[in-house]
Amino acid sequence: DIVMTQSPDSLAVSLGERATINCKSSQSVLNSFNNRNYLAWYQQKPGQPPKLLIYWASDRQSGVPDRFSGSGSGTDFSLTISSLQAEDVAVYYCQQFYSASSSFGQGTKLEI
Amino acid sequence: DVQLLESGGGLVQPGGSLSLSCAASGFTFSSYALSWVRQAPGKGLEWVSCISDSGHYTYDADSVKGRFTISRDNSKNTLSLQMNSLRAEDTALYYCVRHTGSAAFDVWGQGTMVTVSS
Repeated sequence: DIVMTQSPDSLAVSLGERATINCKSSQSVLNSFNNRNYLAWYQQKPGQPPKLLIYWASDRQSGVPDRFSGSGSGTDFSLTISSLQAEDVAVYYCQQFYSASSSFGQGTKLEI
Repeated sequence: DVQLLESGGGLVQPGGSLSLSCAASGFTFSSYALSWVRQAPGKGLEWVSCISDSGHYTYDADSVKGRFTISRDNSKNTLSLQMNSLRAEDTALYYCVRHTGSAAFDVWGQGTMVTVSS
């Protein structure tokens, strides 16, 4: 099974500053046939289900503000929030869907 | 509106069984793969099971293999999860989720709570 490890576990960033969350997979999630990384990022606010932010490692889901961006390939990925807003306080999860048995990272709590 | 609505959660004793349902609306149900994802209180997300759009293919997490069975009825737009031999560690909020074309999870229900306790 593919193990996803996020860092840090928690992060405090000032309003307007940049926030970066890292995610590492235990094996590559890059599909060599279509050159796509099977990696997604989700945001979960208290009392709500998760919300898809990024898929294919760097494609933004419709309606997601462009301050959110994803990068990386193979086994190392990042989610960056370019200018933190108050509404971005949440827990963020990465997920691999390379294998039929999907798996999530442990989550990163983002605070102001 | 695209919507997933879970039901069937509740309190069950260890070793017992429970069946969860997810009613879908607002999209062509038979065109999408679906999964169950759970979240223990105060913990992270754990993928549980998935099923292909046709229902022919299913996959389960090792933690539930042999105990949980995912199924779907495309004529009724319904996803199900039969949970047997329940353990305390199965206590969680269970979400029904839709896969996008990329297989990421783009639509989530609000979840149904399962508590396994004597």
